[in-house]
Amino acid sequence: EDQVTQSPEALRLQEGESSSLNCSYTVSGLRGLFWYRQDPGKGPEFLFTLYSAGEEKEKERLKATLTKKESFLHITAPKPEDSATYLCAVQAEAGGTSYGKLTFGQGTILTVHP
Amino acid sequence: NAGVTQTPKFQVLKTGQSMTLQCAQDMNHNSMYWYRQDPGMGLRLIYYSASEGTTDKGEVPNGYNVSRLNKREFSLRLESAAPSQTSVYFCASRAGTGLGEQYFGPGTRLTVT
Repeated sequence: EDQVTQSPEALRLQEGESSSLNCSYTVSGLRGLFWYRQDPGKGPEFLFTLYSAGEEKEKERLKATLTKKESFLHITAPKPEDSATYLCAVQAEAGGTSYGKLTFGQGTILTVHP
Repeated sequence: NAGVTQTPKFQVLKTGQSMTLQCAQDMNHNSMYWYRQDPGMGLRLIYYSASEGTTDKGEVPNGYNVSRLNKREFSLRLESAAPSQTSVYFCASRAGTGLGEQYFGPGTRLTVT
């Protein structure tokens, strides 16, 4: 069974204090790993897709990296507007199934104080 | 370009009542999905439609039915609501039927009393 574990559950930072969120996964063949941002009362917003170990993607203050067992979302010099829940999801090889099933982690709640 | 839209945004039902959650996307995507999100449980797939004319069960399909009305619209029906179905429901869509990111709607917050 595919599993995704995110840590920490909650993270509080001061504005400008860089840190990383972790997403560990166990899947039978990774096809893709996805990062989403979710603001309170809203739907998840797509951030990044990573396909293979060693891949990195950046967007503003966010950088996502991928190894064979985990992914990190690095946040550089965060601002209060970066406060949100960050979700990680994996899509795995599934015996020929191609409907795009995603397995989500439970998310990391990030709070950035001014 | 509105992306994925959902109606209603909020709904309160009594146990045993029925209702349909509506979802539409204007991105010409092939695949559509219904999820529920509960505290401590993460997002769980209820049903999906890999392409127009097809639907199939996800992880937690009991108590729900779906209809892929056309390429744009995918509805979720609760025939006899139960308190355990109190949740936030999200619809999502994806361009292809293989690999790729999903785009989510704003959600419907449902309370069953």
